[in-house]
Amino acid sequence: AQSVTQPDIHITVSEGASLELRCNYSYGATPYLFWYVQSPGQGLQLLLKYFSGDTLVQGIKGFEAEFKRSQSSFNLRKPSVHWSDAAEYFCAVGSPTDSWGKFQFGAGTQVVVTP
Amino acid sequence: EPEVTQTPSHQVTQMGQEVILRCVPISNHLYFYWYRQILGQKVEFLVSFYNNEISEKSEIFDDQFSVERPDGSNFTLKIRSTKLEDSAMYFCASALNQPQHFGDGTRLSIL
Repeated sequence: AQSVTQPDIHITVSEGASLELRCNYSYGATPYLFWYVQSPGQGLQLLLKYFSGDTLVQGIKGFEAEFKRSQSSFNLRKPSVHWSDAAEYFCAVGSPTDSWGKFQFGAGTQVVVTP
Repeated sequence: EPEVTQTPSHQVTQMGQEVILRCVPISNHLYFYWYRQILGQKVEFLVSFYNNEISEKSEIFDDQFSVERPDGSNFTLKIRSTKLEDSAMYFCASALNQPQHFGDGTRLSIL
């Protein structure tokens, strides 16, 4: 069965430190991969996406993610977090054979940034 | 940048009442979606809509739910007789090409 796993429910990181959020997927083929961020009371904002090609993708707000086929992973990273990065982060997958089909979301990782 | 807009931002409704959640997708988009997020849980797919008909729906999307695109701009989700467990954040999304663009959501509270 297809699934998206975000192993870390909650991460606390100091401002200025690096951040890595994990995402693993189980899928028949390489899916379309996305990271979204949700600030409190807000909607889902797209950070970055991967369809094919270069496995290191750059997104907004200084985020990047690396697709690793061998590990079925699409981890999100930021070298130096800012207090405004405190939010919930969702990994999502879409089907490459059903380009406009539904997204499947991970359970999310809550990021807390401490001074 | 064009946005998906959802109204209202918060809806409070008595159990058993009908509720309509409204969305204005991005104007040139062709594919429309509803998702929901129960508090503390993951975002779940409800339904997708294309060419004036449902493309796909989840097991959550039972006979109590319906969607409509009544004119060229709005996309609505109706819940016929709300239950307590319908309390959630409901997100509308639209797409022309991937990725889907999401609205800010409507928080539905059933009393």
